[in-house]
Amino acid sequence: AQSVTQLGSHVSVSEGALVLLRCNYSSSVPPYLFWYVQYPNQGLQLLLKYTTGATLVKGINGFEAEFKKSETSFHLTKPSAHMSDAAEYFCAVTPSGGYQKVTFGTGTKLQVIP
Amino acid sequence: SAVISQKPSRDICQRGTSLTIQCQVDSQVTMMFWYRQQPGQSLTLIATANQGSEATYESGFVIDKFPISRPNLTFSTLTVSNMSPEDSSIYLCSVQTDLNSGANVLTFGAGSRLTVL
Repeated sequence: AQSVTQLGSHVSVSEGALVLLRCNYSSSVPPYLFWYVQYPNQGLQLLLKYTTGATLVKGINGFEAEFKKSETSFHLTKPSAHMSDAAEYFCAVTPSGGYQKVTFGTGTKLQVIP
Repeated sequence: SAVISQKPSRDICQRGTSLTIQCQVDSQVTMMFWYRQQPGQSLTLIATANQGSEATYESGFVIDKFPISRPNLTFSTLTVSNMSPEDSSIYLCSVQTDLNSGANVLTFGAGSRLTVL
């Protein structure tokens, strides 16, 4: 069984400030981890993914996330927020190894204040 | 990655009626997935639709309420039957992409926002 917890349904940051969106997961087997972003009236799109190898993964739009097995975390960061980053962000997990069901977190809405 | 078109993008429906949502993909895909996205909740998988076989439904979802068709490798429909206000939600179609990574990376349509009065 697997689950995802996203701390904070709403996060506000000032433009230019650090963005930190938290994600903790639970998985009985090694996981694959994802962050998706959803802009208003659009579907979700993949920001980045961790499967194997380097634990720090870089994604689109300057975002990155670090897989920390000891902390069962996969937090999303960006050094400097931009107005265009305002969106909803979803963390997701799936067991490794072939096709497996994806479990999503409840999402975090990011507000960027000018 | 695949491009997914969903329609309708939004609709307002009366209680007791049914609505069919269409999902068209610009390439052939084996698996198509239907999700429900309710405000403040995570995306919930309704069912997996494979071409040529019956859809596989997740716990809490039944075929009589959410019949799915998958007539070919680029198209699927989801019907929400006998709707009630509790069915008001965004319904998302998705497909598996990035098969080389071995992970179930998903591409989503823009969603169909249903409001049931």
